[in-house]
Amino acid sequence: NAGVTQTPKFRVLKTGQSMTLLCAQDMNHEYMYWYRQDPGMGLRLIHYSVGEGTTAKGEVPDGYNVSRLKKQNFLLGLESAAPSQTSVYFCASSFGPRLEETQYFGPGTRLLVL
Amino acid sequence: QKEVEQDPGPLSVPEGAIVSLNCTYSNSAFQYFMWYRQYSRKGPELLMYTYSSGNKEDGRFTAQVDKSSKYISLFIRDSQPSDSATYLCATNTGNQFYFGTGTSLTVIP
Repeated sequence: NAGVTQTPKFRVLKTGQSMTLLCAQDMNHEYMYWYRQDPGMGLRLIHYSVGEGTTAKGEVPDGYNVSRLKKQNFLLGLESAAPSQTSVYFCASSFGPRLEETQYFGPGTRLLVL
Repeated sequence: QKEVEQDPGPLSVPEGAIVSLNCTYSNSAFQYFMWYRQYSRKGPELLMYTYSSGNKEDGRFTAQVDKSSKYISLFIRDSQPSDSATYLCATNTGNQFYFGTGTSLTVIP
């Protein structure tokens, strides 16, 4: 049982390049989330999904797209990377949105956009 | 105004001290409050959650919510070096979660 895994762990991009971050969970969770964490800003929700085939915008969705084609996977895409997207990205999953349905976080992906 | 505000610290205490970590929130409609612990270069993990006002205790950890002042606290008794981490408070409404910026805690042996 690996929990939540994220690929890659670290990536350097040039401005304008594209990339996809992959999140996978093996806990059969319905809900999945993508956050970014920046110094002084805390964790901010980018997009989330309440089930396979669904996605919704969070607090800071601009510049990102997501897809949830399979229940266990949640992909975060950057079509044209900008330096402002330099951050640590965390994926999380849970059975549902209720408080007692704990969010389990992955180890993070460190992204540097030059 | 951010939904949740948290003093970033850093906070440094000797082993065995009582630690108090605090947050304020802006929306009186928030009812659920969480504390996450994040070790360096790791993802956050849920420590405790509380609903509405009052206290909740779990071992050396106590979470407290004061809805009248929109204040949430986490107390750590008999702090240990293994408690050294960043602590994030959070709340949610619907499917949206809001996190504080985190308070960095170091417990010195």
